[in-house]
Amino acid sequence: DTEVTQTPKHLVMGMTNKKSLKCEQHMGHRAMYWYKQKAKKPPELMFVYSYEKLSINESVPSRFSPECPNSSLLNLHLHALQPEDSALYLCASSQERISGNTIYFGEGSWLTVV
Amino acid sequence: SQQGEEDPQALSIQEGENATMNCSYKTSINNLQWYRQNSGRGLVHLILIRSNEREKHSGRLRVTLDTSKKSSSLLITASRAADTASYFCATDSHSGYSTLTFGKGTMLLVSP
Repeated sequence: DTEVTQTPKHLVMGMTNKKSLKCEQHMGHRAMYWYKQKAKKPPELMFVYSYEKLSINESVPSRFSPECPNSSLLNLHLHALQPEDSALYLCASSQERISGNTIYFGEGSWLTVV
Repeated sequence: SQQGEEDPQALSIQEGENATMNCSYKTSINNLQWYRQNSGRGLVHLILIRSNEREKHSGRLRVTLDTSKKSSSLLITASRAADTASYFCATDSHSGYSTLTFGKGTMLLVSP
């Protein structure tokens, strides 16, 4: 069982809606990540937070807005999404952002944009 | 962009048989990780192997790494129906950072 918890598990939203995906970990990890996975494709990195600061943004459109309120929480705010943004959004965490740390994933949030 | 390329893309075997999946990558790495993903679920970490290691074991799993060939393999011995899943290799995507670039994955089907 994963120790990275994501909510909601499923979300359907219209293109004009504003919604948020939430992620929580209580492993004391200082790095947290958002990945996006389309059907039958590998996960792709979106954002990396380290010590609650944004470290990496992989040129993600501004309709995706990450937020790290504290070291245990990571949110992904969604606004004006497109149908092609429908995907599985995976949150992950690791002890540190330094290479060599195992990255642990949550079960993901399935997002459908209609 | 994808760093790792798994081979084969799909593998179908009977319970009890061994399954071997291969991964090739393009640039130098610090470590390589293997993950399993059941359909529609999150990723489960299997093994991390560092660039100075050649082989690593965990239960029925055996991972090898050949940095000269930029390749890795995952062997699952005595497979079970519960091993049915997609398997991904992943490498560092940002120098010095614990981020991952995933290969395309191998879909393994183990029939009872």
